[in-house]
Amino acid sequence: DVKVTQSSRYLVKRTGEKVFLECVQDMDHENMFWYRQDPGLGLRLIYFSYDVKMKEKGDIPEGYSVSREKKERFSLILESASTNQTSMYLCASSLEFSGANTGELFFGEGSRLTVL
Amino acid sequence: KNEVEQSPQNLTAQEGEFITINCSYSVGISALHWLQQHPGGGIVSLFMLSSGKKKHGRLIATINIQEKHSSLHITASHPRDSAVYICAVLMDSNYQLIWGAGTKLIIKP
Repeated sequence: DVKVTQSSRYLVKRTGEKVFLECVQDMDHENMFWYRQDPGLGLRLIYFSYDVKMKEKGDIPEGYSVSREKKERFSLILESASTNQTSMYLCASSLEFSGANTGELFFGEGSRLTVL
Repeated sequence: KNEVEQSPQNLTAQEGEFITINCSYSVGISALHWLQQHPGGGIVSLFMLSSGKKKHGRLIATINIQEKHSSLHITASHPRDSAVYICAVLMDSNYQLIWGAGTKLIIKP
């Protein structure tokens, strides 16, 4: 079974703190994603990576950065957390999207971040 | 205008009822995903389809590419089916995923 593991289910941080959210997948997937999910807004893409050291901005990258030094690991970094970054963060992975291979999505359990 | 529209937004039904959730989209796609999210839980992929129909247990997903429409059906619904069901499409132009807002389903015993 594909497993996508997020490092923390619940975090509480203070405004201005640096926050690391880690995601690890064990199926050699090329694609990895970071989403945030807020009530009434659905899933919004923060960043996407299609290969090691490659990253693409999603719809809401401001205030976030990412790192993908190894294929299995995709980290989301909040350099200076703010209260409006309180949210559920979801990591996902898939095989590369190409033609007939359209990549089933596998999600982690989510990390609920509260910034005070 | 959203490129992926789901309906209804909320649906409450009695156990045993046949459930239909709809997804309409306005872009060219390579594939359409149906996913399920239980309260407080992660998201699980149910189906990925690009044509026709797929069935898994009591769940059936259909897609009509010409009409740009997909439906997710649940037969003999059960309270454990209560969840948010999300439709997402993979655009064929740039492989971008576009997400629907989700349909919250509650099945009452």
